[in-house]
Amino acid sequence: DVQLVESGGGLVQPGGSLRLSCVVSGFTFSSYSMTWVRQAPGKGLEWISYISGSSVTIDYSDSVRGRFTISRDNAKDSLYLQMNSLTDEDTAVYYCARRSGGKGYFDYWGPGTLVTVSS
Amino acid sequence: EIVLTQSPDTLSLSPGEEATLSCRASQSVGYAYLSWYQQKPGQAPRLLIYGTSTRATGVPDRFSGSGFGTEFTLTISRLEPEDFAVYYCQQYGGPPLYTFGQGTKLEIK
Repeated sequence: DVQLVESGGGLVQPGGSLRLSCVVSGFTFSSYSMTWVRQAPGKGLEWISYISGSSVTIDYSDSVRGRFTISRDNAKDSLYLQMNSLTDEDTAVYYCARRSGGKGYFDYWGPGTLVTVSS
Repeated sequence: EIVLTQSPDTLSLSPGEEATLSCRASQSVGYAYLSWYQQKPGQAPRLLIYGTSTRATGVPDRFSGSGFGTEFTLTISRLEPEDFAVYYCQQYGGPPLYTFGQGTKLEIK
């Protein structure tokens, strides 16, 4: 079975940093592009970052570009999101999701990890 | 920038009725690149429809998608109690690369 599990969330002060991880199983990780999507409390879904299987192609939403860095380690079946200069607007549940091969949709999602930015 | 606007924000219906959810794009979206997701409280989103009209694995056939260009629709016939949730449309291609609509909450009347 395909599984994605995020970790690394927690409480961080404004201006601080946090690194999220997403460990996957049940599929050949290197063959799939991955993405991070977040959801602020009571709000909708917001795509924030994408990385291709080989890490050649990376993209970010304007809201996180320059502050967040997506990366992956195919040998460890792991996806990462380094988040710097955090503000209270970054408070959200962060989901990692698998992009279906060659298509523009996300077929598997992790349960999410909560990031709270507060002093 | 492609913006997706869903309507209505909230839809109140009874089990057994038919639900029609709309997703309007600010610019044309490729037929292959419009998807729908269902999200229940405390859960991750679940893929329902991709490529405008193709049901994901395990999705009941009471869910159907249609549309073209800037107007897309998710229809749920014969609502079941487990269908009451929030639904999001999503486009690929952008910019930005991916966009979600703001969501439609389907609630029990």
